[in-house]
Amino acid sequence: AQSVAQPEDQVNVAEGNPLTVKCTYSVSGNPYLFWYVQYPNRGLQFLLKYITGDNLVKGSYGFEAEFNKSQTSFHLKKPSALVSDSALYFCAVPRQPRQLTFGSGTQLTVLP
Amino acid sequence: KAGVTQTPRYLIKTRGQQVTLSCSPISGHRSVSWYQQTPGQGLQFLFEYFSETQRNKGNFPGRFSGRQFSNSRSEMNVSTLELGDSALYLCASSFRTGREETQYFGPGTRLLVL
Repeated sequence: AQSVAQPEDQVNVAEGNPLTVKCTYSVSGNPYLFWYVQYPNRGLQFLLKYITGDNLVKGSYGFEAEFNKSQTSFHLKKPSALVSDSALYFCAVPRQPRQLTFGSGTQLTVLP
Repeated sequence: KAGVTQTPRYLIKTRGQQVTLSCSPISGHRSVSWYQQTPGQGLQFLFEYFSETQRNKGNFPGRFSGRQFSNSRSEMNVSTLELGDSALYLCASSFRTGREETQYFGPGTRLLVL
């Protein structure tokens, strides 16, 4: 079964520092992987996706993610965090087309 | 393009009532999926519609149902509401191009069951 795991419920980082939000996956075949962000009282916003090709995927708002097949990871990164990046982040994998299975979410807090 | 819209944004109901939520997908998107988000269970898939047909269904009781219209707009209905149905209900639409299909989400409908 396709699944993803987010090992950290909460990540705190100082503004201006690099941030990493972790995600590991368990899939059969070639993985399609997604990152979404949720701001308070909002829906999910698409950040980026890995389909195939380059292991470093660039997305919206300066975020990028590194796909690592040997470690079965797809960590979300940003070189310099902003206070406005504080939000709930989800990684996801399609169980079937148009049916995403989400991780448990990681609350990112960027401290001024 | 306008994004996915959901109405109403907030809803308060009492146990035993029924509720209907509406979702309008991004123009040109023919697939609509519904998800339930709760603090305890996280994000869970409810069902997916394409061209007015339900193609996939998650592990939810029959009280949860949906439909899709010819203009791709979708509704979901929950009958005989229970306290545990209190949640944020998210709708997502997508359009397939080759192997890629990304789901874009609406702002959600927050349902409170008293």
